[in-house]
Amino acid sequence: GESVGLHLPTLSVQEGDNSIINCAYSNSASDYFIWYKQESGKGPQFIIDIRSNMDKRQGQRVTVLLNKTVKHLSLQIAATQPGDSAVYFCAENRGSGYSTLTFGKGTMLLVSP
Amino acid sequence: EAEVAQSPRYKITEKSQAVAFWCDPISGHATLYWYRQILGQGPELLVQFQDESVVDDSQLPKDRFSAERLKGVDSTLKIQPAELGDSAMYLCASSQDLGEKLFFGSGTQLSVL
Repeated sequence: GESVGLHLPTLSVQEGDNSIINCAYSNSASDYFIWYKQESGKGPQFIIDIRSNMDKRQGQRVTVLLNKTVKHLSLQIAATQPGDSAVYFCAENRGSGYSTLTFGKGTMLLVSP
Repeated sequence: EAEVAQSPRYKITEKSQAVAFWCDPISGHATLYWYRQILGQGPELLVQFQDESVVDDSQLPKDRFSAERLKGVDSTLKIQPAELGDSAMYLCASSQDLGEKLFFGSGTQLSVL
């Protein structure tokens, strides 16, 4: 299930389940969104991106959905594996003129074997 | 696969000392970023370069932080004097150009005692 931890929201799933991680963004002018995966002690790793002229994009085992009406972004991971355990961040380009990415609060994904 | 290189990996210093971090972006990437990440939070932008020019340093505490990218390739971030509240992960990232996806290095974990 999903719970709010002391620092990060946490999603706990069983291996093989599908995971859905959600993100609400604040700026309706944002036109580019990226999902990053961050393992402990490492830098964020690019997973998938989507531009505002699309509402869905698929990668290998991952799908990003964008709902501009409610300013919501989601990352779906199919057949979740223990190696998917990490913190996931969404980032938006707020179109400041210099294309600065702003990161949201992360979600910790814990995958049990 | 090309990576963003950062050094040192870890740095422990006493408050009031000077520290410096180095970053070598992916070859050919025009845009370079320094982010700071406090445990449990998303990365926050400190400074952004396009080639050798600063394009956004609005969140850089300029009384103690400085950053340079003299030849438009590698970059140095300096803190002088360091304060206890500076303890964090300092991440460098690069992108081919403004508005493109960011690739992160492994970061420098700074502890100020």
